[in-house]
Amino acid sequence: DTEVTQTPKHLVMGMTNKKSLKCEQHMGHRAMYWYKQKAKKPPELMFVYSYEKLSINESVPSRFSPECPNSSLLNLHLHALQPEDSALYLCASSQDLSTSESRQFFGPGTRLTVL
Amino acid sequence: TQLLEQSPQFLSIQEGENLTVYCNSSSVFSSLQWYRQEPGEGPVLLVTVVTGGEVKKLKRLTFQFGDARKDSSLHITAAQPGDTGLYLCAGAGTGGFKTIFGAGTRLFVKA
Repeated sequence: DTEVTQTPKHLVMGMTNKKSLKCEQHMGHRAMYWYKQKAKKPPELMFVYSYEKLSINESVPSRFSPECPNSSLLNLHLHALQPEDSALYLCASSQDLSTSESRQFFGPGTRLTVL
Repeated sequence: TQLLEQSPQFLSIQEGENLTVYCNSSSVFSSLQWYRQEPGEGPVLLVTVVTGGEVKKLKRLTFQFGDARKDSSLHITAAQPGDTGLYLCAGAGTGGFKTIFGAGTRLFVKA
């Protein structure tokens, strides 16, 4: 099983709403990632978790709050977002953070629209 | 700062033509990945190259890693409309574990 799943597929929310994006993998990977991708641009790294601990926060605004409940799950909690936060949010996982095993497997993404 | 430059940025060709996409850097990468992404979907891993000079084939796709591990190429033979998509190269730096993405090559194959 080389699948990373993400829910929901699409999400529309207002600027005062609180919502969560979910990601799951069952490959036994110990590193999980959140990326943000705007149209016609490559993915931009937001957060990296390694062994369920936050390893990298790429100076992401606090209105984005990641959570890793266990080694298979990764959440992204959203609160008070801005319209410019509308994007495709991608989750990825890799075996671990060592450079020799860095290839990442991506989920299908959540298309987020902030009104 | 490690950067990956992809070229061309956009390519529109007829079915049956061959093409090559390049991914270049002034930095050494311990490995490079190539992904293909369709609109609204996540990137799908095509291949990982690790050894300098390595060549890998995936049906009509040929991937090469430069001898110095600073560049890579993707060659598609007899392109088909199903090859249409965004091709991304990504590399793991030698100094850390953060993955660097190229800007992508948008390929459109006309039937």
